[in-house]
Amino acid sequence: DTGVSQNPRHKITKRGQNVTFRCDPISEHNRLYWYRQTLGQGPEFLTYFQNEAQLEKSRLLSDRFSAERPKGSFSTLEIQRTEQGDSAMYLCASSTRWGAGQKSDEQYFGPGTRLTVT
Amino acid sequence: AQSVTQLDSHVSVSEGTPVLLRCNYSSSYSPSLFWYVQHPNKGLQLLLKYTSAATLVKGINGFEAEFKKSETSFHLTKPSAHMSDAAEYFCVVSDIRDDKIIFGKGTRLHILP
Repeated sequence: DTGVSQNPRHKITKRGQNVTFRCDPISEHNRLYWYRQTLGQGPEFLTYFQNEAQLEKSRLLSDRFSAERPKGSFSTLEIQRTEQGDSAMYLCASSTRWGAGQKSDEQYFGPGTRLTVT
Repeated sequence: AQSVTQLDSHVSVSEGTPVLLRCNYSSSYSPSLFWYVQHPNKGLQLLLKYTSAATLVKGINGFEAEFKKSETSFHLTKPSAHMSDAAEYFCVVSDIRDDKIIFGKGTRLHILP
């Protein structure tokens, strides 16, 4: 399978615990995005990487959230001291962008990780 | 700043009748526009995209969308609905200058037998 993969697919944790999600993008894609989707809403942008550089973070991404893409391939999203409000589907997407001023190609989404904080 | 508004949160049509899902956008520059579909318990799938080429864009599964700059609209249409089209549809705008990607709140399409 050459699509975007995410692990785990489901995570149930207790409030206050830390969780980490992993995203493996399509191998030739240099951009990787994280989104959060709550019930009945569209995905909300959290952050994105171009290769290993994190280029933008949404203000939705509080200091309890951190994302990395150390070698420009897979990425991890960590949430520290989880709260019930963090319960959501966390989506990863990847795309290509070849140079400044060029429009991004469409994003390919993974299946998501559903987080439930009890 | 960019924004996207999906004018209907729910749309119901009978099988075999036309589908129209409405989307209006706001962008200060030349936008890219996309429609994605999300079936229950499945990932988001790209239906079609507009990136400043032809204003009438054809996508998968018989869907089309027309970019109308004067109306700042990018409505999604299909001539004849099928039961398998029942899903959540998202209109997305992307601005090349600030690289933000904004999703609409979604339109849930119901197909009546």
